[in-house]
Amino acid sequence: DSGVTQTPKHLITATGQRVTLRCSPRSGDLSVYWYQQSLDQGLQFLIQYYNGEERAKGNILERFSAQQFPDLHSELNLSSLELGDSALYFCASSISGQGAMDTQYFGPGTRLTVL
Amino acid sequence: DAKTTQPNSMESNEEEPVHLPCNHSTISGTDYIHWYRQLPSQGPEYVIHGLTSNVNNRMASLAIAEDRKSSTLILHRATLRDAAVYYCILTPGNTPLVFGKGTRLSVIA
Repeated sequence: DSGVTQTPKHLITATGQRVTLRCSPRSGDLSVYWYQQSLDQGLQFLIQYYNGEERAKGNILERFSAQQFPDLHSELNLSSLELGDSALYFCASSISGQGAMDTQYFGPGTRLTVL
Repeated sequence: DAKTTQPNSMESNEEEPVHLPCNHSTISGTDYIHWYRQLPSQGPEYVIHGLTSNVNNRMASLAIAEDRKSSTLILHRATLRDAAVYYCILTPGNTPLVFGKGTRLSVIA
């Protein structure tokens, strides 16, 4: 158990809909990362937050957005969903979010299926 | 991004040591070498990291070449639970992890 929790575990929805994925980091970690894993693209970084502020952005679509709240939990919002958004979404957390030594701890993921 | 090259797959017998290689010929002086693994149906899991010296922890050992252009993750006694995809990642600092395709390790009983 990494200490990172994600809800829900599974999500099935229809095209065009909007969903929210939630992540609670390990106690004491200030940085949260979101990754998407699909069969054809592998694990791809989406976005990083540190203590409530956006720190880095990866291959995140404009239809997707995220935020980190004062209690440090984070939500990833996916809207106007398409079939291609079906994937595993992982959240990770780390203490500082910077520095080459920083280790990330991953949650169990949310499996999103768009029908 | 600094790039790593790993074999697509490897196979090992249970209870035997496994050496997982990684080439990173364009590594810079401040890049750390991180290894993560992903067990089936789970999120990635940190294994070990190092800069220049060899490192040991309860999970594995990391052997880093003197010129740092390659490294090897060593599992001393593979178990069925070690079957996973192993990712070798360079971390320059202040950047998110960039995952490649990794090495899929199969462990045979």
